[in-house]
Amino acid sequence: QVQLVQSGAEVKKPGASVRVSCKASGHTFSNSYMHWVRQAPGQGLEWMGIINPRGDATTYAQMFHGRVTMTRDTSTSTVYLDLGSLTSEDTAMYFCARDIAPSGSWVFDSWGQGTLVTVSS
Amino acid sequence: EIELTQSPATLSLSPGERATLSCRASQSVSSYLAWYQQKPGQAPRLLIYDASNRATGIPARFSASGSGTDFTLTITSLEPEDVAVYYCQQRSTWAPFGQGTKVEIK
Repeated sequence: QVQLVQSGAEVKKPGASVRVSCKASGHTFSNSYMHWVRQAPGQGLEWMGIINPRGDATTYAQMFHGRVTMTRDTSTSTVYLDLGSLTSEDTAMYFCARDIAPSGSWVFDSWGQGTLVTVSS
Repeated sequence: EIELTQSPATLSLSPGERATLSCRASQSVSSYLAWYQQKPGQAPRLLIYDASNRATGIPARFSASGSGTDFTLTITSLEPEDVAVYYCQQRSTWAPFGQGTKVEIK
């Protein structure tokens, strides 16, 4: 049984940065591509990026380029999302998700519970 | 960039009825389409991948078909627990999602 447990809610001021973590258990974390997807209040789903199993390759959605970083720590089976230069438009629920395929397929078969990030002055 | 358009925006049906949800791509995505269910206050759940393959543990009342630009998700007999928003998603680098179809019980 795959479990992805994310860190707790965050409140940040505009211009600040936020780090969200996602700890995996119940599967071979070291073989899995991992993604981050976000959802603004009342809105749809928006893919943010992917990190490979070794953590040495990432691809980010163009709209986040320059202010997003994804990393992973295989020793703790945790992936991290860092998002900087926050604005109110970054207020959203952030989800980590596991890729269904060892080679990366952009199909998300397990999801974390979500972390609410609120950006407000 | 490929866009996915889902219809209808909202579907209101009685328990036991058949629900048919549509997803149309702006250009061919072959069979590289997935469907997700998101219940209120929960994370999305994978239902279908590669157009017609049910994910592990998904009930048989959920089925899907299509290829190219037109795809359909069918719930053969709607149950109260199926109240959710359903999203289609293209399996590609930018992983675009449709805007969702909300399924309600009358």
